[in-house]
Amino acid sequence: DAGVIQSPRHEVTEMGQEVTLRCKPISGHDYLFWYRQTMMRGLELLIYFNNNVPIDDSGMPEDRFSAKMPNASFSTLKIQPSEPRDSAVYFCASRGDGLYGYTFGSGTRLTVV
Amino acid sequence: DAKTTQPTSMDCAEGRAANLPCNHSTISGNEYVYWYRQIHSQGPQYIIHGLKNNETNEMASLIITEDRKSSTLILPHATLRDTAVYYCIVRTNNNAGNMLTFGGGTRLMVKP
Repeated sequence: DAGVIQSPRHEVTEMGQEVTLRCKPISGHDYLFWYRQTMMRGLELLIYFNNNVPIDDSGMPEDRFSAKMPNASFSTLKIQPSEPRDSAVYFCASRGDGLYGYTFGSGTRLTVV
Repeated sequence: DAKTTQPTSMDCAEGRAANLPCNHSTISGNEYVYWYRQIHSQGPQYIIHGLKNNETNEMASLIITEDRKSSTLILPHATLRDTAVYYCIVRTNNNAGNMLTFGGGTRLMVKP
């Protein structure tokens, strides 16, 4: 199993541009989570899905952030327009129903200049 | 989910046991103790979890006190590759509470 796959690994963009982060969860996992990590705030849960349906998006910072999961093997996190304060490492994780451990991807390091 | 308290940082000599403590005095009866670690530039990695009995796997051992208000993660023979931030998290295992809430964790430095 290739694990949770995120792309790109690094993204540098200019303020105001749209950014799309991608995630492929482990096959068969029913839950998908998006986290953001910064030095100041640590690891924060943004949103999570169960069977492709968003369950809790209370961690999404503002309307500029949106997440979708069109099918069981793909999710996106979009920021439009991006701002310098969005600079962070964004992690995707998945978990199977009945399993206890979450598997995290390697993250996307986003820099907005 | 109950809050946890961990030391900010710890050092350990290579080859020795690393004992990482965690206080969770407000833990509820149906909450489990989970440990994850994050090696620099990688995503968090699941290590172990337990409810009230001590647990052991190929990575570590988890010792939970009888009153369940604290626990200790033990890496029996720490290596340089165990240098990481270790997170202690308590949460229920029901599907209604799926979120993993990370605190500050303990930064473990394994030294040669």
